Amino acid sequence: GAVVSQHPSRVICKSGTSVKIECRSLDFQATTMFWYRQFPKKSLMLMATSNEGSKATYEQGVEKDKFLINHASLTLSTLTVTSAHPEDSSFYICSALGQADTEAFFGQGTRLTVV
Amino acid sequence: AQTVTQSQPEMSVQEAETVTLSCTYDTSESDYYLFWYKQPPSRQMILVIRQEAYKQQNATENRFSVNFQKAAKSFSLKISDSQLGDAAMYFCACQRSGTASKLTFGTGTRLQVTL
Repeated sequence: GAVVSQHPSRVICKSGTSVKIECRSLDFQATTMFWYRQFPKKSLMLMATSNEGSKATYEQGVEKDKFLINHASLTLSTLTVTSAHPEDSSFYICSALGQADTEAFFGQGTRLTVV
Repeated sequence: AQTVTQSQPEMSVQEAETVTLSCTYDTSESDYYLFWYKQPPSRQMILVIRQEAYKQQNATENRFSVNFQKAAKSFSLKISDSQLGDAAMYFCACQRSGTASKLTFGTGTRLQVTL
């Protein structure tokens, strides 16, 4: 199957700083990527849909100014958590859709800890 | 809008035995896909099996098979000859047909496999 690489896998940052998470489709072009947040022992909660060359579509209740999403190319989407706070600590997962396929391929996830 | 319900937070099965994980869903779409994903302790999401709603035949992938009851909106996963490596969280998901469609996940079932 197709490979989606997410980086970093773990990151610790101080309160008030920003952190960027990258999601790359390695062997296919992804017009659409999704960003999820997963709390411990919970399901994946969709945060936003990222479309190449256009603004992301955020789910209700997700602060677009806090969680900045950029999808500048067909192989890269980034999620920037701005002015991070301890409550932003979570596991973030991206997935990518191929142009001709509805199957989603997932990154390995990023564990963010804000101290 | 779609909803996916997994009523079994935890299940346990003995090695080599068979277990069935339940999933019900609701959607207003006429054309959609259903999925089972596995999330092992590494937290990498792995596609287990996929079913197109227009297909009556139940999907099968080696030891994994589904019982798709469209009228009842039920989509259960059967794991035969369970192995220790099957221990994981299992998420049922629904996706409407068409490009750039997001997945709607259930709350997950944690499967334990015992010796």
